[in-house]
Amino acid sequence: DVKVTQSSRYLVKRTGEKVFLECVQDMDHENMFWYRQDPGLGLRLIYFSYDVKMKEKGDIPEGYSVSREKKERFSLILESASTNQTSMYLCASKGGGAVRAFFGQGTRLTVV
Amino acid sequence: DQQVKQNSPSLSVQEGRISILNCDYTNSMFDYFLWYKKYPAEGPTFLISISSIKDKNEDGRFTVFLNKSAKHLSLHIVPSQPGDSAVYFCAASPYTGANSKLTFGKGITLSVRP
Repeated sequence: DVKVTQSSRYLVKRTGEKVFLECVQDMDHENMFWYRQDPGLGLRLIYFSYDVKMKEKGDIPEGYSVSREKKERFSLILESASTNQTSMYLCASKGGGAVRAFFGQGTRLTVV
Repeated sequence: DQQVKQNSPSLSVQEGRISILNCDYTNSMFDYFLWYKKYPAEGPTFLISISSIKDKNEDGRFTVFLNKSAKHLSLHIVPSQPGDSAVYFCAASPYTGANSKLTFGKGITLSVRP
Protein backbone atom coordinates (compact mmCIF):
# COMPACT_ATOMS: atom_id res chain seq x y z
CA ASP A 1 0.00 0.00 0.00
CA VAL A 2 1.03 3.61 -0.43
CA LYS A 3 3.10 5.07 2.33
CA VAL A 4 3.02 8.78 3.11
CA THR A 5 5.39 9.71 5.89
CA GLN A 6 5.47 12.98 7.77
CA SER A 7 8.73 13.80 9.51
CA SER A 8 7.30 14.52 12.96
CA ARG A 9 4.22 13.45 14.91
CA TYR A 10 4.44 16.30 17.42
CA LEU A 11 6.23 19.65 17.26
CA VAL A 12 6.40 22.58 19.63
CA LYS A 13 7.77 25.84 18.22
CA ARG A 14 8.05 29.41 19.42
CA THR A 15 6.27 32.38 17.88
CA GLY A 16 8.34 33.87 15.08
CA GLU A 17 10.32 30.72 14.32
CA LYS A 18 10.61 29.40 10.79
CA VAL A 19 9.11 25.91 10.75
CA PHE A 20 9.59 23.14 8.21
CA LEU A 21 7.16 20.22 7.90
CA GLU A 22 8.38 17.44 5.65
CA CYS A 23 6.39 14.82 3.78
CA VAL A 24 7.61 11.90 1.68
CA GLN A 25 5.59 9.45 -0.44
CA ASP A 26 6.81 6.22 -1.98
CA MET A 27 4.39 5.66 -4.87
CA ASP A 28 5.67 8.09 -7.49
CA HIS A 29 2.48 10.16 -7.20
CA GLU A 30 2.28 13.36 -9.19
CA ASN A 31 0.02 15.22 -6.77
CA MET A 32 0.82 16.15 -3.19
CA PHE A 33 -1.20 18.24 -0.76
CA TRP A 34 -0.97 19.98 2.59
CA TYR A 35 -4.12 20.34 4.69
CA ARG A 36 -4.73 21.53 8.20
CA GLN A 37 -7.43 20.17 10.44
CA ASP A 38 -9.07 22.31 13.10
CA PRO A 39 -12.10 21.48 15.29
CA GLY A 40 -15.30 22.57 13.61
CA LEU A 41 -13.50 23.59 10.41
CA GLY A 42 -12.70 20.21 8.88
CA LEU A 43 -9.81 19.74 6.46
CA ARG A 44 -8.73 22.91 4.70
CA LEU A 45 -6.30 22.90 1.79
CA ILE A 46 -3.21 25.06 2.25
CA TYR A 47 -1.19 24.28 -0.89
CA PHE A 48 -0.89 21.54 -3.44
CA SER A 49 1.62 20.50 -6.07
CA TYR A 50 0.92 18.54 -9.25
CA ASP A 51 4.52 18.21 -10.40
CA VAL A 52 8.06 18.93 -9.32
CA LYS A 53 8.58 22.65 -8.75
CA MET A 54 4.87 23.29 -9.49
CA LYS A 55 2.57 24.56 -6.79
CA GLU A 56 -0.86 26.08 -6.43
CA LYS A 57 -2.47 27.91 -3.56
CA GLY A 58 -5.29 26.23 -1.76
CA ASP A 59 -7.96 27.88 0.34
CA ILE A 60 -5.78 29.19 3.18
CA PRO A 61 -2.20 29.82 1.91
CA GLU A 62 -1.51 32.96 3.95
CA GLY A 63 1.49 32.56 6.23
CA TYR A 64 2.69 29.41 4.45
CA SER A 65 4.92 28.47 1.55
CA VAL A 66 5.86 25.13 0.01
CA SER A 67 8.73 23.47 -1.78
CA ARG A 68 8.79 20.49 -4.11
CA GLU A 69 12.29 19.90 -5.44
CA LYS A 70 11.85 16.14 -5.83
CA LYS A 71 8.76 14.20 -6.83
CA GLU A 72 8.58 12.21 -3.61
CA ARG A 73 9.00 15.11 -1.18
CA PHE A 74 6.72 18.04 -0.40
CA SER A 75 7.63 20.52 2.31
CA LEU A 76 5.41 23.02 4.08
CA ILE A 77 7.11 26.11 5.48
CA LEU A 78 5.74 28.44 8.11
CA GLU A 79 7.73 31.59 7.45
CA SER A 80 7.15 33.08 10.91
CA ALA A 81 5.09 30.83 13.14
CA SER A 82 2.15 32.33 14.97
CA THR A 83 -0.14 30.91 17.63
CA ASN A 84 -3.06 30.74 15.18
CA GLN A 85 -1.04 28.20 13.20
CA THR A 86 -1.33 25.71 16.04
CA SER A 87 -3.10 22.84 14.32
CA MET A 88 -2.95 19.29 12.99
CA TYR A 89 -1.16 19.31 9.62
CA LEU A 90 -1.87 16.52 7.16
CA CYS A 91 0.06 15.66 4.02
CA ALA A 92 -1.53 13.62 1.23
CA SER A 93 -0.55 12.25 -2.15
CA LYS A 94 -2.53 11.10 -5.18
CA GLY A 95 -1.76 9.58 -8.54
CA GLY A 96 -2.46 11.70 -11.61
CA GLY A 97 -5.45 9.70 -12.83
CA ALA A 98 -6.79 8.67 -9.46
CA VAL A 99 -9.47 10.01 -7.18
CA ARG A 100 -8.31 8.56 -3.88
CA ALA A 101 -5.68 10.45 -1.89
CA PHE A 102 -3.47 8.80 0.72
CA PHE A 103 -2.70 10.64 3.93
CA GLY A 104 0.24 10.69 6.28
CA GLN A 105 -0.16 10.23 10.01
CA GLY A 106 -0.30 13.96 10.69
CA THR A 107 1.86 16.45 12.57
CA ARG A 108 0.41 18.11 15.64
CA LEU A 109 2.09 21.53 15.72
CA THR A 110 1.85 23.75 18.77
CA VAL A 111 3.14 27.32 18.53
CA VAL A 112 3.78 28.94 21.91
CA ASP B 1 -18.22 29.49 0.34
CA GLN B 2 -18.47 25.95 1.59
CA GLN B 3 -18.87 23.59 -1.34
CA VAL B 4 -19.13 20.38 0.69
CA LYS B 5 -21.39 20.52 3.72
CA GLN B 6 -21.77 18.12 6.58
CA ASN B 7 -24.40 19.92 8.59
CA SER B 8 -24.63 17.57 11.55
CA PRO B 9 -21.47 17.78 13.65
CA SER B 10 -22.14 14.58 15.57
CA LEU B 11 -24.15 11.37 15.60
CA SER B 12 -24.62 8.77 18.31
CA VAL B 13 -26.00 5.29 17.59
CA GLN B 14 -26.36 2.01 19.41
CA GLU B 15 -24.06 -0.87 18.50
CA GLY B 16 -25.68 -3.11 15.90
CA ARG B 17 -27.92 -0.36 14.52
CA ILE B 18 -27.52 1.57 11.28
CA SER B 19 -25.48 4.77 11.13
CA ILE B 20 -26.44 7.24 8.40
CA LEU B 21 -24.04 10.10 7.75
CA ASN B 22 -25.17 12.81 5.36
CA CYS B 23 -23.31 15.16 3.03
CA ASP B 24 -24.49 17.89 0.66
CA TYR B 25 -22.57 19.70 -2.03
CA THR B 26 -23.15 22.84 -4.06
CA ASN B 27 -20.71 22.53 -6.97
CA SER B 28 -22.42 20.77 -9.88
CA MET B 29 -19.01 20.09 -11.41
CA PHE B 30 -18.20 17.52 -8.75
CA ASP B 31 -18.12 14.05 -10.29
CA TYR B 32 -16.40 11.93 -7.64
CA PHE B 33 -17.22 11.58 -3.99
CA LEU B 34 -15.30 9.89 -1.21
CA TRP B 35 -15.66 9.15 2.47
CA TYR B 36 -12.71 9.13 4.83
CA LYS B 37 -12.53 8.01 8.45
CA LYS B 38 -10.22 9.63 10.97
CA TYR B 39 -9.19 8.59 14.46
CA PRO B 40 -7.61 11.16 16.81
CA ALA B 41 -3.88 11.72 16.24
CA GLU B 42 -3.95 9.73 12.98
CA GLY B 43 -4.29 10.64 9.32
CA PRO B 44 -7.60 10.06 7.49
CA THR B 45 -8.05 6.66 5.87
CA PHE B 46 -10.10 6.03 2.75
CA LEU B 47 -13.40 4.19 3.21
CA ILE B 48 -15.41 4.19 0.02
CA SER B 49 -16.04 6.28 -3.10
CA ILE B 50 -18.65 6.76 -5.79
CA SER B 51 -18.70 8.41 -9.19
CA SER B 52 -21.60 10.42 -10.50
CA ILE B 53 -22.55 7.74 -13.03
CA LYS B 54 -23.65 5.53 -10.14
CA ASP B 55 -26.20 5.99 -7.40
CA LYS B 56 -24.92 3.33 -5.02
CA ASN B 57 -21.65 1.66 -4.10
CA GLU B 58 -21.24 -1.01 -1.47
CA ASP B 59 -18.22 -2.41 0.36
CA GLY B 60 -18.94 -4.75 3.22
CA ARG B 61 -20.74 -2.90 5.99
CA PHE B 62 -20.37 0.44 4.17
CA THR B 63 -22.70 1.71 1.44
CA VAL B 64 -22.65 5.13 -0.16
CA PHE B 65 -25.73 6.51 -1.90
CA LEU B 66 -25.63 9.43 -4.31
CA ASN B 67 -28.60 11.58 -5.32
CA LYS B 68 -27.14 13.83 -7.97
CA SER B 69 -30.32 15.84 -8.59
CA ALA B 70 -30.46 16.72 -4.89
CA LYS B 71 -26.67 17.12 -4.64
CA HIS B 72 -26.75 14.81 -1.67
CA LEU B 73 -24.88 11.71 -0.62
CA SER B 74 -25.02 9.52 2.43
CA LEU B 75 -22.89 6.85 4.04
CA HIS B 76 -24.67 3.90 5.66
CA ILE B 77 -22.85 1.69 8.13
CA VAL B 78 -24.64 -1.54 8.97
CA PRO B 79 -24.26 -2.90 11.56
CA SER B 80 -22.46 -0.19 13.50
CA GLN B 81 -19.62 -1.29 15.76
CA PRO B 82 -17.81 0.55 18.61
CA GLY B 83 -14.64 0.59 16.48
CA ASP B 84 -16.52 2.74 13.96
CA SER B 85 -16.42 5.64 16.44
CA ALA B 86 -14.37 8.28 14.63
CA VAL B 87 -14.70 11.47 12.59
CA TYR B 88 -16.03 10.90 9.06
CA PHE B 89 -15.21 13.32 6.27
CA CYS B 90 -17.05 13.62 2.99
CA ALA B 91 -14.90 14.78 0.06
CA ALA B 92 -15.55 15.66 -3.58
CA SER B 93 -13.57 16.22 -6.76
CA PRO B 94 -14.58 17.49 -10.20
CA TYR B 95 -12.34 15.07 -12.13
CA THR B 96 -9.46 12.67 -11.80
CA GLY B 97 -6.88 14.32 -13.99
CA ALA B 98 -3.64 16.04 -13.18
CA ASN B 99 -3.91 18.78 -10.55
CA SER B 100 -7.35 17.63 -9.43
CA LYS B 101 -7.90 18.17 -5.74
CA LEU B 102 -10.30 17.00 -3.06
CA THR B 103 -12.60 19.41 -1.25
CA PHE B 104 -13.59 18.22 2.21
CA GLY B 105 -16.52 18.88 4.50
CA LYS B 106 -16.17 19.74 8.17
CA GLY B 107 -16.66 16.17 9.34
CA ILE B 108 -19.14 14.28 11.51
CA THR B 109 -18.13 12.68 14.79
CA LEU B 110 -19.76 9.26 15.06
CA SER B 111 -20.08 7.61 18.46
CA VAL B 112 -21.23 4.00 18.59
CA ARG B 113 -22.47 3.03 22.05
CA PRO B 114 -21.85 -0.56 23.18
